[in-house]
Amino acid sequence: DAGITQSPRHKVTETGTPVTLRCHQTENHRYMYWYRQDPGHGLRLIHYSYGVKDTDKGEVSDGYSVSRSKTEDFLLTLESATSSQTSVYFCATHLQGGDEQFFGPGTRLTVL
Amino acid sequence: EDKVVQSPLSLVVHEGDTVTLNCSYEVTNFRSLLWYKQEKKAPTFLFMLTSSGIEKKSGRLSSILDKKELFSILNITATQTGDSAVYLCAVEASSNTGKLIFGQGTTLQVKP
Repeated sequence: DAGITQSPRHKVTETGTPVTLRCHQTENHRYMYWYRQDPGHGLRLIHYSYGVKDTDKGEVSDGYSVSRSKTEDFLLTLESATSSQTSVYFCATHLQGGDEQFFGPGTRLTVL
Repeated sequence: EDKVVQSPLSLVVHEGDTVTLNCSYEVTNFRSLLWYKQEKKAPTFLFMLTSSGIEKKSGRLSSILDKKELFSILNITATQTGDSAVYLCAVEASSNTGKLIFGQGTTLQVKP
């Protein structure tokens, strides 16, 4: 599992509140990713990072921002949560030159 | 627009049956195709395919890629109830960032 943890694992919040999800890895992988998973959509990339302070948008980035101030931590922020952001969020890491992405355990977010 | 499509979306079989899951893709600058298994938690890596016509095999699971026709299949022989899961296909385009485009997934249920 490449030593990936996500926090919190579950969160219920209200529309309009800010939410930050944290991904922490212990393997010193260069690349980190945030995905959301919804029924019928598989996994969709929100944002990714290719190094400290280097981030870029994925296919569903609207309403989300990210930050990576240290190699091991990648934060996903919902500035003002909406019900459409209710989802399961997965963090993943990738070793440059490696085959696979390694996934964290996921965070289930419910926005009421 | 890059796209990965899996079929069928769901499948119910009995133990001992053989199943074939399909994944077709349209991406610019194809780099690799990956298969993951997801059992109510984080996806776990099965195979990565980069070359056409070379079968990857692990126990009862095997997969092959056809780069001319832009598809891959995942075969599972002698299915067991433990094979019940969502199977995800993902494609990496040649951007050297490891970004993956996922299909919707195929939900496989194996009945005893």
